[in-house]
Amino acid sequence: DAGVTQSPTHLIKTRGQQVTLRCSPISGHKSVSWYQQVLGQGPQFIFQYYEKEERGRGNFPDRFSARQFPNYSSELNVNALLLGDSALYLCASSLGGQGTAGANVLTFGAGSRLTVL
Amino acid sequence: GQNIDQPTEMTATEGAIVQINCTYQTSGFNGLFWYQQHAGEAPTFLSYNVLDGLEEKGRFSSFLSRSKGYSYLLLKELQMKDSASYLCAVGYGNNRLAFGKGNQVVVIP
Repeated sequence: DAGVTQSPTHLIKTRGQQVTLRCSPISGHKSVSWYQQVLGQGPQFIFQYYEKEERGRGNFPDRFSARQFPNYSSELNVNALLLGDSALYLCASSLGGQGTAGANVLTFGAGSRLTVL
Repeated sequence: GQNIDQPTEMTATEGAIVQINCTYQTSGFNGLFWYQQHAGEAPTFLSYNVLDGLEEKGRFSSFLSRSKGYSYLLLKELQMKDSASYLCAVGYGNNRLAFGKGNQVVVIP
């Protein structure tokens, strides 16, 4: 069984540009979450989608947006890139549901490492 | 909000036992999770606790005290491959995790 897949794995952008990151969850997982991990820090929650609806948003500016498609894959978009957006962007999938601990067991993809110059 | 605190780094000898502590303050708690992250890789799930007490999974055990806002991860029979960052995370709301900064464990021969 394939795990969580993300693309691209690495990318370099310049300030002001826009980026789209893609994620395919584990088959059968209906919840997809996005996290940002800056070097030396733990992952920070950005978005969570369940059954194509946004279920939560972290403390990130409106330049960050996301969506989930009918096949449960997801995209994260970041507009007007800043140097501080340089980070590892992690997608995670889970069964989702009623917020039980088991449903919260996230399986992470390998991440997309974004460098903004 | 959520506040998770972990020590930043520790060094231990191969074959030893190491305990990684985590304290937290949160609203809407629905589980305490531990993840392992090797440098340059994604976090991988180790264990979780919902109720107070000890959960054992092979060489790894995790303990939770909800009243004290405290958890620890115990790694036994340390191996060189256990050198990694260990992330404590609190589950809250609907399928969200709030992570600590991670505890870097360095295993030496």
